[in-house]
Amino acid sequence: RKEVEQDPGPFNVPEGATVAFNCTYSNSASQSFFWYRQDCRKEPKLLMSVYSSGNEDGRFTAQLNRASQYISLLIRDSKLSDSATYLCVVTITGGFKTIFGAGTRLFVKA
Amino acid sequence: GAVVSQHPSRVICKSGTSVKIECRSLDFQATTMFWYRQFPKQSLMLMATSNEGSKATYEQGVEKDKFLINHASLTLSTLTVTSAHPEDSSFYICSARGDRDAFFGQGTRLTVV
Repeated sequence: RKEVEQDPGPFNVPEGATVAFNCTYSNSASQSFFWYRQDCRKEPKLLMSVYSSGNEDGRFTAQLNRASQYISLLIRDSKLSDSATYLCVVTITGGFKTIFGAGTRLFVKA
Repeated sequence: GAVVSQHPSRVICKSGTSVKIECRSLDFQATTMFWYRQFPKQSLMLMATSNEGSKATYEQGVEKDKFLINHASLTLSTLTVTSAHPEDSSFYICSARGDRDAFFGQGTRLTVV
């Protein structure tokens, strides 16, 4: 079993749609959680950190459920520019290991 | 935000030669740096974790004698691909860990011909 698993993609949605990505992790020593965005042939960029209390940044909402070892990302009112691959990232306790999910590809169409 | 500079961004080399990739944290000290490899249409795969002043920790299946990692200072880590082969062609990305978040270099696209 992979340490970090994400929804298989791709997701094809129209502009304005709401889309949700899920991610599960298997290591209970996981400490920090993030969502990264990666555009084609570019390096990943931090989208947002994920906190136990849940956090929101504009159209993006991230949630963490430690009991179920589950992370989610919700994108509201999708824009064409949201088209990218979204990577779920987990850091193991001590910060010495960062594991990436395989990524979920999102296509937003006009 | 924190900046991580990776150099070169693109390199083409002949089979059998060695290539060195540098990763620098420009405005913070990174005690830990990570090296990743990404094949087309796949996610980043952690190759090794590099701690300043000590030997790197390699992930299972990554040859430490082929992928030499040096982390001589708190702002610089290098990855040397030795005796490169065409199957080593990939996108290599470094990441430096700050207080909480990890910041990425721009990546190096290596093509071995």
